[in-house]
Parts: sequence; C-alpha cells; structure tokens
Amino acid sequence: RKEVEQDPGPFNVPEGATVAFNCTYSNSASQSFFWYRQDCRKEPKLLMSVYSSGNEDGRFTAQLNRASQYISLLIRDSKLSDSATYLCAVMNYGGSQGNLIFGKGTKLSVKP
Amino acid sequence: NAGVTQTPKFQVLKTGQSMTLQCAQDMNHNSMYWYRQDPGMGLRLIYYSASEGTTDKGEVPNGYNVSRLNKREFSLRLESAAPSQTSVYFCASSETGASYEQYFGPGTRLTVT
Repeated sequence: RKEVEQDPGPFNVPEGATVAFNCTYSNSASQSFFWYRQDCRKEPKLLMSVYSSGNEDGRFTAQLNRASQYISLLIRDSKLSDSATYLCAVMNYGGSQGNLIFGKGTKLSVKP
Repeated sequence: NAGVTQTPKFQVLKTGQSMTLQCAQDMNHNSMYWYRQDPGMGLRLIYYSASEGTTDKGEVPNGYNVSRLNKREFSLRLESAAPSQTSVYFCASSETGASYEQYFGPGTRLTVT
C-alpha cells in the first residue's frame, strides 16, 4: 500500500456543484495533514491545514478521520477558478525533522 | 516579501553536463527542501536541510548534491546530468515547529537530452 493515496480523477463537475476528495494514508503515527492546490505548470500552494476537529475556510472544509486513516476536502458551490489539481500531504516525523509525503493529486475540472 | 525564489526557470542540458539550481527564501525559515515532480509520480523529496549547516537525503537523492549556503539559500547540484533527471524541480521552505507548513518556489523545468 502506498503511503498516501488519492483518486487521480479527473472530477468533472458543473459550476455550483459540491465535490469531495478523499486521501488515505498508511502510517498511523502521522501527525499533520495538509491540502495543497496546484494549477497547471505552477507550484503547489497551501490550501488548508487539516486539524483533528476539522476546519472550514469559506467554501472549503477539511476533515480528518484517524480511525480510518483518511483526510477529506469538501468544496461547496464550485467555481470555474477552483479547477486545479488538489494534493494531500501527510507529515511523518523522524527524529527531529518531519517530512511531507504527498499524494499524486486529484484533478478537478469545473465546467460552466 | 518574495517568498521562495528559484533560478533558473527553464534549463536544457546535454547528458553529462552539470548545473546548479538555486533557491532562496526570505521568510526566515529554518528548513528547506528540494523536490522533483514527474507525471504520474507526484512530488518526491530529493534532499532537505532541517537547519543551517545540516542536510539529509530524501526519497530520491541519487545523482544530486546539495549545499545549504546560509539560512536563506539552498542549492541543488547535478554533477553529470542524465535524461532520467528531466523533471520539474521545486524548492520549499518551512518553519521548524508543530505546523511544518511548506511554501514552494515557482519551480525549474529541466530537460536533459
């Protein structure tokens, strides 16, 4: 089983739709979790950190389920500008340094 | 603040040539990273530097060397480029602490022929 797995998509949704992505991780000791957004031919940009209690930022909601070892990202009222690839990242700690393990990304395409 | 900057943006090398990719950050972060991103493979860590004066191997270090020149700068060197090193290279930085949120530079697109 890969360390971090995501459905590659693409997810093709109409404007205004609600879409959800899941990301599973294999290391039960993982401590920190993140969602990044990456536009075509650009760098990944931090979208949200994912906290144990779940967190929301406008139309975006992130959840963590430690028991089942997955994180999720919910996007409500999708906009054309949400079209991008969404990467989940999991922090595994080793010694004094943690390193991020990235999923391969889920591509979202929002259509008019 | 410029955040994380990388030079060059694009580079074409012939097999066996060498080059250094430069990265600098102005966020006073302790930790810096080099990743490569290939289609279907996602982001993979090449090397990282937890603090000035230290460097460690990541998942795919073979064929690369790094130098943490000072707190701001972290360079990646390809001594003898190979076609398998054709990729997009991203530098990132983060604070050392509980959140470990990493911030990425714009990337270098490298083609080795």
